Amino acid sequence: GNSVTQMEGPVTLSEEAFLTINCTYTATGYPSLFWYVQYPGEGLQLLLKATKADDKGSNKGFEATYRKETTSFHLEKGSVQVSDSAVYFCALSDLGSGNTPLVFGKGTRLSVIA
Amino acid sequence: DAEITQSPRHKITETGRQVTLACHQTWNHNNMFWYRQDLGHGLRLIHYSYGVQDTNKGEVSDGYSVSRSNTEDLPLTLESAASSQTSVYFCASSDQGYSTDTQYFGPGTRLTVL
Repeated sequence: GNSVTQMEGPVTLSEEAFLTINCTYTATGYPSLFWYVQYPGEGLQLLLKATKADDKGSNKGFEATYRKETTSFHLEKGSVQVSDSAVYFCALSDLGSGNTPLVFGKGTRLSVIA
Repeated sequence: DAEITQSPRHKITETGRQVTLACHQTWNHNNMFWYRQDLGHGLRLIHYSYGVQDTNKGEVSDGYSVSRSNTEDLPLTLESAASSQTSVYFCASSDQGYSTDTQYFGPGTRLTVL
């Protein structure tokens, strides 16, 4: 079946540090890939997405590239800010499995300290 | 502005009681979803609906039910609450009949079962 594996957290970084959160996936078809972010006390919101191989999603300084050869969609940001502290979820949707809902990873908590 | 709301935001109940969590969206979205979020498990799908009168079971549907009588609402009912159902519950909606579309999340309901 479809699944998403994220790096375990929590991740603690100093302000302006480089961020990578790893995400790999297993899918039977041709998935679309997503990163959602959850700020403290809130619901999830879409951060970025990519719908086909080699696509790069980007938003708010975050980027992720859909790598089919390595089945990965790692999230990166060149210089994190305290306001980026949140939980980040990688997710996939696989239309090859029919119109099935998103499959989420377990989330990675990021804390950025000044 | 269109939005998705959940009520109540916090609920404490006793084992064995029936509990209903409300979800209301003004996006006029066809698709609605219920998730629970627990430490170590991330986000898990409980039930989902792709339109009025349509409901489907998710990964962790035992002990929960939903009904979809209109486009705007998808209430989640716990038939006989158990301590294992203590969790944070999120409702989400999306527009088209494709799971590649962005899901919009409500703010969550924190449920405690004593």
